[in-house]
Amino acid sequence: DGGITQSPKYLFRKEGQNVTLSCEQNLNHDAMYWYRQDPGQGLRLIYYSQIVNDFQKGDIAEGYSVSREKKESFPLTVTSAQKNPTAFYLCASRDQGYGYTFGSGTRLTVV
Amino acid sequence: GENVEQHPSTLSVQEGDSAVIKCTYSDSASNYFPWYKQELGKRPQLIIDIRSNVGEKKDQRIAVTLNKTAKHFSLHITETQPEDSAVYFCAAAPGGFKTIFGAGTRLFVKA
Repeated sequence: DGGITQSPKYLFRKEGQNVTLSCEQNLNHDAMYWYRQDPGQGLRLIYYSQIVNDFQKGDIAEGYSVSREKKESFPLTVTSAQKNPTAFYLCASRDQGYGYTFGSGTRLTVV
Repeated sequence: GENVEQHPSTLSVQEGDSAVIKCTYSDSASNYFPWYKQELGKRPQLIIDIRSNVGEKKDQRIAVTLNKTAKHFSLHITETQPEDSAVYFCAAAPGGFKTIFGAGTRLFVKA
């Protein structure tokens, strides 16, 4: 995955359940991001982190939470407060002034 | 606010023809302009980028031009092939760790 690994590839969530998506990078990038992509749509920013123990809300943060305890890891939790979580979730990392490296994505479906 | 407009949303060309995708950005502080290609069900991948101190950059069949005065930048693909069919996203980065994406262009190359 070019140095950034997302797991699982597919995830099914029941109503009222919290689920956590994993994102790990070995590129030594400071910044990490989570994007949501709905079918046929663009990329919408959920959360981003520029440094360990710090993160900021993106455009659609409601119903999601993150943590950044290690530089390499930026997990995303989709909480029960997110009423329409079915989507393709992309994690990315980058160094300032350069382009993103994206993970291969997690496809989340509500069952 | 900060915005990147991308046109057209869909583009269909005959194999061997050229394709042009155009973007306009609003934040004059933007100094880095990457382009990403996303094939169906896959992650976006960086294909070319340009910085604000350069007017044009070329890499084999793809090229990007930048007009800072007009806040326009464009992707040019020559001698298109069926494997060029994908969604293309432009983006503008105004410095720091922030990036603004365009809505995407779906390119179809007909054999």
